[in-house]
Amino acid sequence: DQQVKQNSPSLSVQEGRISILNCDYTNSMFDYFLWYKKYPAEGPTFLISISSIKDKNEDGRFTVFLNKSAKHLSLHIVPSQPGDSAVYFCAATGTASKLTFGTGTRLQVTL
Amino acid sequence: NAGVTQTPKFQVLKTGQSMTLQCAQDMNHNSMYWYRQDPGMGLRLIYYSASEGTTDKGEVPNGYNVSRLNKREFSLRLESAAPSQTSVYFCASNITPGNTIYFGEGSWLTVV
Repeated sequence: DQQVKQNSPSLSVQEGRISILNCDYTNSMFDYFLWYKKYPAEGPTFLISISSIKDKNEDGRFTVFLNKSAKHLSLHIVPSQPGDSAVYFCAATGTASKLTFGTGTRLQVTL
Repeated sequence: NAGVTQTPKFQVLKTGQSMTLQCAQDMNHNSMYWYRQDPGMGLRLIYYSASEGTTDKGEVPNGYNVSRLNKREFSLRLESAAPSQTSVYFCASNITPGNTIYFGEGSWLTVV
């Protein structure tokens, strides 16, 4: 039972355009959501997070949106750069519980 | 600026052999985790230790054992390796469960 779902295994976007990565969750107890970025042969690195008391969090080119009623979050990257090409994992957790990860979306930013 | 360090980075094992993956963190985190990553499966939790002296099973614990040696170190042992355990293993830690988690660089394990 996949509690965190990333339904798009891959996404290709042109440099300079917006990348939108989506994530859905089923557990209503989740109240903290994170995005991780992973390059080949490296460990995942924390990118941005959002608490359930907010609906938007911004950090430079990266913005995460949370729609609690739809149990959906998205990561927007504007403008996309070739160095953003990586696998992006969505993760969710409830208070004092373990993180649950999605299966990842591979983003390729083309020139 | 080490963060989470895991060894070895690469290992090839024969079916039935045993080995231990070592992990240490220098961030004074209470909680530590072992994940495996397989194509199309994302990051799956094998075992975790919410605090020193405790360990619990995650999503895919079969075939593995863990030891929380002290606050800094958390090892993962494969007693009798199987080809299905061919994977990339990541150690991770955070201050407490429910907070941002920090990963090591990964250990690539192949069982032939």
